[in-house]
Amino acid sequence: EVRLVESGGGLVQPGGSLRLSCVVSGFTFSDHHMDWVRQAPGKGLECVARSKNKRDGYIAEYDASVKDRFTISRDDSKNSLYLQMNSLKTEDTAVYYCVRDSMQYSMDVWGKGTTVTVSS
Amino acid sequence: DIQLTQSPSFLSASVGDRVTITCRASQGINTYLAWYQQKSGRAPNLLIYKASVLPIGVPSRFSGSGYGTEFTLTIGSLQPEDFATYYCQQFKSYPVTFGQGTRLEIK
Repeated sequence: EVRLVESGGGLVQPGGSLRLSCVVSGFTFSDHHMDWVRQAPGKGLECVARSKNKRDGYIAEYDASVKDRFTISRDDSKNSLYLQMNSLKTEDTAVYYCVRDSMQYSMDVWGKGTTVTVSS
Repeated sequence: DIQLTQSPSFLSASVGDRVTITCRASQGINTYLAWYQQKSGRAPNLLIYKASVLPIGVPSRFSGSGYGTEFTLTIGSLQPEDFATYYCQQFKSYPVTFGQGTRLEIK
């Protein structure tokens, strides 16, 4: 069974930092691009970061809203994806989903999400 | 960034109805379009990819079509479990972007 399990969410003050983790199982992690997609309360979906697969050199891509503040990384030996979030803003408050890219122009497996709240 | 606009944003329908949701892209995206269903408090679920392909396990009452800038998601006969929010997503270029969502509610 393919599974993605996120952790690391919580309450943090504006300007603070948080590191999200996602442990995957049930597939060959290094074969897939992986994404972090967030959803602010009552809002739509936003892909904030992508880690390309081993074949594509683990290239990282970011949405403009988080570039230079967030860093995506992965450890294929631990089947783990990470999102280091620095200089957090209140508008970063959201549920953050770890997502597998199907490699066929879609996101086919989603974790349950972890909630990040940025508030003083 | 490629913008996606869904219409309508809200739809009220009855069990058994046939409904269609439209997604328009700000520039051509070939067939690099996916559709997702999201129920309240849960993660999205992939319904369609490459504009018209159903993943294994998705009921055949769901169908998708389109090319370039205009796409549709059709539900052939609404079932109670279909009342949810639907999102389109483009994969033509990064950042991959989503439409704003269509909320489908029971009439």
